[in-house]
Amino acid sequence: TQLLEQSPQFLSIQEGENLTVYCNSSSVFSSLQWYRQEPGEGPVLLVTVVTGGEVKKLKRLTFQFGDARKDSSLHITAAQPGDTGLYLCAGQQGAQKLVFGQGTRLTINP
Amino acid sequence: ETGVTQSPTHLIKTRGQQVTLRCSSQSGHNTVSWYQQALGQGPQFIFQYYREEENGRGNFPPRFSGLQFPNYSSELNVNALELDDSALYLCASSVGGTGYQPQHFGDGTRLSIL
Repeated sequence: TQLLEQSPQFLSIQEGENLTVYCNSSSVFSSLQWYRQEPGEGPVLLVTVVTGGEVKKLKRLTFQFGDARKDSSLHITAAQPGDTGLYLCAGQQGAQKLVFGQGTRLTINP
Repeated sequence: ETGVTQSPTHLIKTRGQQVTLRCSSQSGHNTVSWYQQALGQGPQFIFQYYREEENGRGNFPPRFSGLQFPNYSSELNVNALELDDSALYLCASSVGGTGYQPQHFGDGTRLSIL
């Protein structure tokens, strides 16, 4: 059973467009992380959100944690081909165990 | 600062065999977590080691076992390999303790079972 549902699973858009990826759960997490994974590499941490309602920005990427700490979103403004990759959300459940979503494979076309 | 390193990078085994995967944690980190990532899926938690003891386990059978050494490096052992064990095995290290500590991942070992 997947505790974290990511949507969409696949997304292909043109350079310059905006997009939002969603991460939803019925469980409460003490923190939520977003990772980006390139082929042949391990996930690289982008951001951690801890407080309900928290918003963090990383250049053109905006991350939000839901008020109830059950869901999160990643918004990318003016997407660029370099943003292409697999985006993973992961919720923390005690003892630093991470529960991952199935990922969103993003392709930005020039 | 040396990051998380895993070996080997690729491995091919046949059903029924046994395999050992290795992970060197990032300098200063005393906690190692192992994850299995099947093709097209997100990573799934196998288990975590903190100061040489298992500190949490996911929904994996006992034929998945591990060790952590005094230098905090770790091994993942899988016995009686099955076709479904084909996956990318990821190791992540972190600083143990209360609260959230970011996990830093290695690039994984790609295991193929024939």
